[in-house]
Amino acid sequence: AQSVTQLGSHVSVSEGALVLLRCNYSSSVPPYLFWYVQYPNQGLQLLLKYTTGATLVKGINGFEAEFKKSETSFHLTKPSAHMSDAAEYFCAVSEPRSSYKLIFGSGTRLLVRP
Amino acid sequence: EPEVTQTPSHQVTQMGQEVILRCVPISNHLYFYWYRQILGQKVEFLVSFYNNEISEKSEIFDDQFSVERPDGSNFTLKIRSTKLEDSAMYFCASRGDNNEQFFGPGTRLTVL
Repeated sequence: AQSVTQLGSHVSVSEGALVLLRCNYSSSVPPYLFWYVQYPNQGLQLLLKYTTGATLVKGINGFEAEFKKSETSFHLTKPSAHMSDAAEYFCAVSEPRSSYKLIFGSGTRLLVRP
Repeated sequence: EPEVTQTPSHQVTQMGQEVILRCVPISNHLYFYWYRQILGQKVEFLVSFYNNEISEKSEIFDDQFSVERPDGSNFTLKIRSTKLEDSAMYFCASRGDNNEQFFGPGTRLTVL
């Protein structure tokens, strides 16, 4: 069965510092991987996705993530945090054989200190 | 830019009552989903829908739940007899051919 683990329910960084949000997954077939962001009282917005091809994917707002099959990881990074990055971030996995439903991790709340 | 819309934004109901949550997916999408997020918890898959039938459902999606695409544009989730534990944010999503799901803003359901 698919599952997603996000290490750290809360991550706090200073403005301008590197952001690293960790995501590990389990899947019996090559998965599709996603990062979504949720701002307070809003829906989910896609940051980036990996389906096939280049393992380093770039998304919106300066975020990127690297698919590492050997480590079953898809960590999200941003070189320099901005106050507006404060939000909840969800990693998700889907498989073609399962209607492409998304299985989400438990989320990481990013706090950005001035 | 096309978007998924959901109504109402907030629904308050009494335990045991029926509720219908409505979604308008992106017009050329063919795959539709409902998810829910209980306050402070992760987003959970409920059901997927394609070609006018359920393609997959989770354990949460029991006989109290049903989905329908009544008129080719709306996609609805019905909860027949609401329970306190149904209180959550319900998200609709639709998908085109690029495997990317677009989410609506959600309906907050409060069961009293």
